[in-house]
Amino acid sequence: ETGVTQTPRHLVMGMTNKKSLKCEQHLGHNAMYWYKQSAKKPLELMFVYNFKEQTENNSVPSRFSPECPNSSHLFLHLHTLQPEDSALYLCASSRDRTREAFFGQGTRLTVV
Amino acid sequence: ELKVEQNPLFLSMQEGKNYTIYCNYSTTSDRLYWYRQDPGKSLESLFVLLSNGAVKQEGRLMASLDTKARLSTLHITAAVHDLSATYFCAVDNNDMRFGAGTRLTVKP
Repeated sequence: ETGVTQTPRHLVMGMTNKKSLKCEQHLGHNAMYWYKQSAKKPLELMFVYNFKEQTENNSVPSRFSPECPNSSHLFLHLHTLQPEDSALYLCASSRDRTREAFFGQGTRLTVV
Repeated sequence: ELKVEQNPLFLSMQEGKNYTIYCNYSTTSDRLYWYRQDPGKSLESLFVLLSNGAVKQEGRLMASLDTKARLSTLHITAAVHDLSATYFCAVDNNDMRFGAGTRLTVKP
């Protein structure tokens, strides 16, 4: 248990659906991250929030939309996804951008 | 663009043996992390290396960092089955990049 909680743990959605992934941490960390882990690619950093401000968006398609309402919560809103978006989506947090990240358990997303 | 290369990608070793996993990266950085991931689980932080020559040890694992060579190593001493997992290095120079991971299997 790292102190970073993600829900849901598993999600199956159709290509026309809209869903959201949630991440929560009460570690007092100021930076939060979304990562994508696919079977055949290295772990990919998607978004970074530092003190609730988005500081990085690594060329992620607009069908993925992050939201950080406060320093403890991070959402990833999904709409009109493609089957190739099926992956494990990991949330992480760190005290600041120079410290190691603590990862949540991930959401296993399947797009059908 | 920062590139991080790990090798080997797959490693099968017998209990009791020693081995080293290598992590090379392409641009200057003085922040390198090692993580462990068990199947179906999330990533667990193992080591944080923040300066040239840094060496950290935890149990049978020892990590080191040579920023001049842009190389980090994760050394496994007298492997045991419980060390079977995938090990990732990650380099941060304002653009966090992970290596592809080394899937380690320790056999009796």
